[in-house]
Amino acid sequence: QKEVEQDPGPLSVPEGAIVSLNCTYSNSAFQYFMWYRQYSRKGPELLMYTYSSGNKEDGRFTAQVDKSSKYISLFIRDSQPSDSATYLCAMNEANTGFQKLVFGTGTRLLVSP
Amino acid sequence: SAVISQKPSRDICQRGTSLTIQCQVDSQVTMMFWYRQQPGQSLTLIATANQGSEATYESGFVIDKFPISRPNLTFSTLTVSNMSPEDSSIYLCSVESPGADTQYFGPGTRLTVL
Repeated sequence: QKEVEQDPGPLSVPEGAIVSLNCTYSNSAFQYFMWYRQYSRKGPELLMYTYSSGNKEDGRFTAQVDKSSKYISLFIRDSQPSDSATYLCAMNEANTGFQKLVFGTGTRLLVSP
Repeated sequence: SAVISQKPSRDICQRGTSLTIQCQVDSQVTMMFWYRQQPGQSLTLIATANQGSEATYESGFVIDKFPISRPNLTFSTLTVSNMSPEDSSIYLCSVESPGADTQYFGPGTRLTVL
């Protein structure tokens, strides 16, 4: 079983839809959670960074962490065609810090005009 | 965030040859990382490179196959040696963020081995 599970998609939605992207994990020691966006033929770009449980909002993006369920989500409101990309979740333990990020395989999102 | 560049952006190589990938960052960073990203798989850390010391390799990766240099605080190279088609992948370098809480990634090098 992988430490971090992520549905590869693709997830296809119309422009303006609310998108929900999710990851589950098995390691209860994970404390820090990140979402990266990766456009085709580009490197991953950090979108959101959260610590422990709760919500964090940044513009159209909301990151949610539920440690009791070992489940994290990224919500995208009013999705745009420019949001079409692969979204990677990543996480790490407090004792290993940012040096040991564990990634999901990524979910490919397609937003049609 | 740091501006990171990689050279080459892509290459097609013959089996048995070696390729050196360069990673340049626009600010001084203590830690640089090298990853491999294969289709349908998660990013896999190859090694961590600190300036002035030997790189630290993850399980399954060895220095003879992936030698790394880190001559200063803004530059690193990864060599993929004696390549086989199984080495076809995207290779990414990353650096620690200014708050040392996460990593920023370069654009990647897409390698195809024939």
